[in-house]
Amino acid sequence: GQNIDQPTEMTATEGAIVQINCTYQTSGFNGLFWYQQHAGEAPTFLSYNVLDGLEEKGRFSSFLSRSKGYSYLLLKELQMKDSASYLCALTGGGADGLTFGKGTHLIIQP
Amino acid sequence: DSGVTQTPKHLITATGQRVTLRCSPRSGDLSVYWYQQSLDQGLQFLIQYYNGEERAKGNILERFSAQQFPDLHSELNLSSLELGDSALYFCASSVMSGQENTEAFFGQGTRLTVV
Repeated sequence: GQNIDQPTEMTATEGAIVQINCTYQTSGFNGLFWYQQHAGEAPTFLSYNVLDGLEEKGRFSSFLSRSKGYSYLLLKELQMKDSASYLCALTGGGADGLTFGKGTHLIIQP
Repeated sequence: DSGVTQTPKHLITATGQRVTLRCSPRSGDLSVYWYQQSLDQGLQFLIQYYNGEERAKGNILERFSAQQFPDLHSELNLSSLELGDSALYFCASSVMSGQENTEAFFGQGTRLTVV
């Protein structure tokens, strides 16, 4: 099976940088996704890591370390619209669906 | 707009009833996934279909069933509904079966309320 842990809630300031961590235990997986979800809306894709290292995409970056069972999502130049839940998810490892963590609710303050 | 269409957007029904949720995947996507999201749980994977065939099963109750039709749209059937089945039900689609690096695109969800 797969087990994913993320902090439940984080607070950050507009214009600042925040790092959202995700740790996991799994017997195997193909890759790790990060999704953003605003309340009551559909999750939207942010990033995908299959190899160790950093993937940068505009204000968002994601990092993966397979040996440490660890990933993080880095958000720079925070905007009020970044207030949302951020979901870490694994793909593969016996189930073809994405296995999601419970998500981190990020609150951006002025 | 992700290109994935789910109907209806909202559904209110009584305990013991049966409902059908519908999903049309993005054009060209062969895989359809169903997820349940309740307030105290994250997104829970229910089931996946790939090109008409069941591909993977997650935490799906026996009261729930799904199918994917030749035109690739999918339906999720929920029967003998209980209060605890109240949740957001999402459908997602992707091009491949899921083993490869393929992003899943989510529909806007169906909010089911069981009263």
